[in-house]
Amino acid sequence: KAGVTQTPRYLIKTRGQQVTLSCSPISGHRSVSWYQQTPGQGLQFLFEYFSETQRNKGNFPGRFSGRQFSNSRSEMNVSTLELGDSALYLCASSVLSVAAYEQYFGPGTRLTVT
Amino acid sequence: QQQVKQSPQSLIVQKGGISIINCAYENTAFDYFPWYQQFPGKGPALLIAIRPDVSEKKEGRFTISFNKSAKQFSLHIMDSQPGDSATYFCAASIGDKIIFGKGTRLHILP
Repeated sequence: KAGVTQTPRYLIKTRGQQVTLSCSPISGHRSVSWYQQTPGQGLQFLFEYFSETQRNKGNFPGRFSGRQFSNSRSEMNVSTLELGDSALYLCASSVLSVAAYEQYFGPGTRLTVT
Repeated sequence: QQQVKQSPQSLIVQKGGISIINCAYENTAFDYFPWYQQFPGKGPALLIAIRPDVSEKKEGRFTISFNKSAKQFSLHIMDSQPGDSATYFCAASIGDKIIFGKGTRLHILP
């Protein structure tokens, strides 16, 4: 099976702009989660989508939003970018099996805000 | 109650030594404890995982030790190699919720 893919891999934006990141989960996975990773902060949970519905949400401002399509692909949008939004944005697809809830991460999108 | 505390933040080990990373949790309802390994420029990858009904799980040079009464679990990397240099995240999950530790940056000296 192909892994989780994220596009673009790198992005440079200017403060005040908006950005859309895309994630294609592993085939058959219906859950997609988004994380922000910055040095020293670990993996900060943004939100999770399951069957086109936001199921869980982290503590991020409303500038961060997402959606999921019927084919399970997901997009994340950040509006009015701030310098502090510079980070690696990771998408993880998951399936709740009998064994456990396991997440499989994509390579991430490196966002730089100048 | 939802936190997973991971230590140390960074660790330097000589090649051939044992690397040990510790995690502690509070919510006794967690029922699955995975470890992830992340190399620079890559996303985290599932390395090894354990359930609370088992005290130890070994896969190659990687071992998870689990202490249910202390609500602690740890990752041991035996015969550490330079290629093991990466950031390691512990996690705890229940149902569709997973909580990650803040990560440990491991550096193995050649």
